[in-house]
Amino acid sequence: QVQLVESGGGVVQPERSLRLSCAGSGFTFSDYVMHWVRQAPGKGLEWVAFISYDVSNTNYADSVRGRFTISRDNSKSTLFLQLDRLRADDTATYFCARGPYRDMFGYMDVWGKGTTVTVPS
Amino acid sequence: EVVMTQSPATLSVSPGETATLSCRASQSVSWSLGRNLAWYQQKPGQAPRLLIYGASTRVTGIPARFSGSGSGTEFTLTITSLQSEDFAVYYCLQYNNWPPWTFGQGTKVEIK
Repeated sequence: QVQLVESGGGVVQPERSLRLSCAGSGFTFSDYVMHWVRQAPGKGLEWVAFISYDVSNTNYADSVRGRFTISRDNSKSTLFLQLDRLRADDTATYFCARGPYRDMFGYMDVWGKGTTVTVPS
Repeated sequence: EVVMTQSPATLSVSPGETATLSCRASQSVSWSLGRNLAWYQQKPGQAPRLLIYGASTRVTGIPARFSGSGSGTEFTLTITSLQSEDFAVYYCLQYNNWPPWTFGQGTKVEIK
């Protein structure tokens, strides 16, 4: 079945870095837009970044632009999020989510269970 | 950026009753080819689950008691005959004007 599994979360000090991964299976990963969405403890969902299926396009929320980098390795069906210069307000569960087939326009239909990043204040 | 506002923040409903959730966009998220609004359900400790896209199209496997309606800037998710498994937080998402993709702040449906 279609599945996304995140990993790489943990406790990291402010201004340090972390790399999250998301392994896709059960579908042709290279044909789909992918997103990262995060959720701070007790809060709502916040879109973080997206990458097109062919890596030609990326974009970021203002809150993370310049600090986070989204990438993907289609040969390994894996999505990444590099988190640099982390801040306390980056503390959240990070979900990867599948976007549309070969099109940036659309919603997220499949989500992973998330990986938690904690940045102490 | 399109701001999505959901109301109420919390809805107390008895099992078997109907819940009506509202989602308002700061600008239209519809155009001639579609209404670009999705609804998600999230239970504690779980990932969001897609319920509805295109404002009113249910995902395969989602019960018919979930229905979506609306266009432009005003959208509604209606859950009839609430079951115990329906008590959760519900989010709307606009995917018409991006980036960013924007979610509402959520409506918690709790047992009355």
